[in-house]
Amino acid sequence: EPEVTQTPSHQVTQMGQEVILRCVPISNHLYFYWYRQILGQKVEFLVSFYNNEISEKSEIFDDQFSVERPDGSNFTLKIRSTKLEDSAMYFCAGEAPTSSYNEQFFGPGTRLTVL
Amino acid sequence: LAKTTQPISMDSYEGQEVNITCSHNNIATNDYITWYQQFPSQGPRFIIQGYKTKVTNEVASLFIPADRKSSTLSLPRVSLSDTAVYYCLVGLTGGGNKLTFGTGTQLKVEL
Repeated sequence: EPEVTQTPSHQVTQMGQEVILRCVPISNHLYFYWYRQILGQKVEFLVSFYNNEISEKSEIFDDQFSVERPDGSNFTLKIRSTKLEDSAMYFCAGEAPTSSYNEQFFGPGTRLTVL
Repeated sequence: LAKTTQPISMDSYEGQEVNITCSHNNIATNDYITWYQQFPSQGPRFIIQGYKTKVTNEVASLFIPADRKSSTLSLPRVSLSDTAVYYCLVGLTGGGNKLTFGTGTQLKVEL
């Protein structure tokens, strides 16, 4: 069964540094998402991406965040200048265009630790 | 956006049936009810979705009364591996819709 993969599994960075989190969605998916989950809190929507552009973004997704699908397979989330409060688990998700359900396939996540 | 309310936690024993109820009093006509499961340090996983009455798949059943103001996820004969957080979500279905998670129900299954 195809899976969503994310790299790295754990990223430690210094405050103010840029990080890029990478995701390889399932090949036939066309809708892509990033979510984050701060330790002990609920999963929060960050951004959705379709047809090479952002469809929707949350208030969390400010100018420090950007997404890209550079080569038709990878889907990346960049945080330009990390803050302590960006420490969280970041999940990439994808969804098939023919889905009649709210069935998004999540990756295993990248744990981001900002020191 | 319809708000959902679930119990914070539930305990059960292996082999028992577990029913988790979710309230969504302000559900809209076009909203569907979807349940996700999340294990520690993993991404959420789709379990089941329904609009009304009863839906069953190989993992669970979903019961939705006629007024659709609540729903019940039923897990038959749980095992230790069913220990997870279960989320009830309400919203539009089909591609491209963000998922809005609440705090979920932490189910703990013991021997």
